[in-house]
Amino acid sequence: NAGVTQTPKFQVLKTGQSMTLQCAQDMNHNSMYWYRQDPGMGLRLIYYSASEGTTDKGEVPNGYNVSRLNKREFSLRLESAAPSQTSVYFCASSEAREAGANVLTFGAGSRLTVL
Amino acid sequence: GQSLEQPSEVTAVEGAIVQINCTYQTSGFYGLSWYQQHDGGAPTFLSYNALDGLEETGRFSSFLSRSDSYGYLLLQELQMKDSASYFCAVRSNFNKFYFGSGTKLNVKP
Repeated sequence: NAGVTQTPKFQVLKTGQSMTLQCAQDMNHNSMYWYRQDPGMGLRLIYYSASEGTTDKGEVPNGYNVSRLNKREFSLRLESAAPSQTSVYFCASSEAREAGANVLTFGAGSRLTVL
Repeated sequence: GQSLEQPSEVTAVEGAIVQINCTYQTSGFYGLSWYQQHDGGAPTFLSYNALDGLEETGRFSSFLSRSDSYGYLLLQELQMKDSASYFCAVRSNFNKFYFGSGTKLNVKP
């Protein structure tokens, strides 16, 4: 019962460095998401993928790129990290249903610090 | 754009009832969800309302009024373990979910 798995759990970067956050789900969900969470600001949608091969911007996409490698995996890349990207990042997945509850299942989170 | 408003903090005593309100403005609306998050943890799903009315799941209930763009989460028989942050989230076009800034619930003995 892995659900949604994110790696790494913690990462410290220097300004200008690049890195990729990995996310994989084993629930056969079509929809996958990347959120960031900052104190007092709730969760903000960075990017979204409705299915393999498709991605769409969310509320705060600047400074990020994503890849939906296959149905299971959705990665988030920071090409040139900035201190403003210090945050906790959550990956989530959902089965898109026409009726009934659409539930987001979250990974455990990745805490990123940019110095 | 999307906008969700909820109170930043609520305090209640063990055994009491508490209501957390959420008002929203969104360009597309398919439903309102509620999530619970304990400190250091990931958000977990509590409830979802697609239609007007009350949904009950054990001690938790959620209400939606689409005409008022308003919903609330009702927690009954509060327990210490209910101390957490609670987020409302709108399901919008293309199955995107947008979250409020969260309400921190403090349950006191």
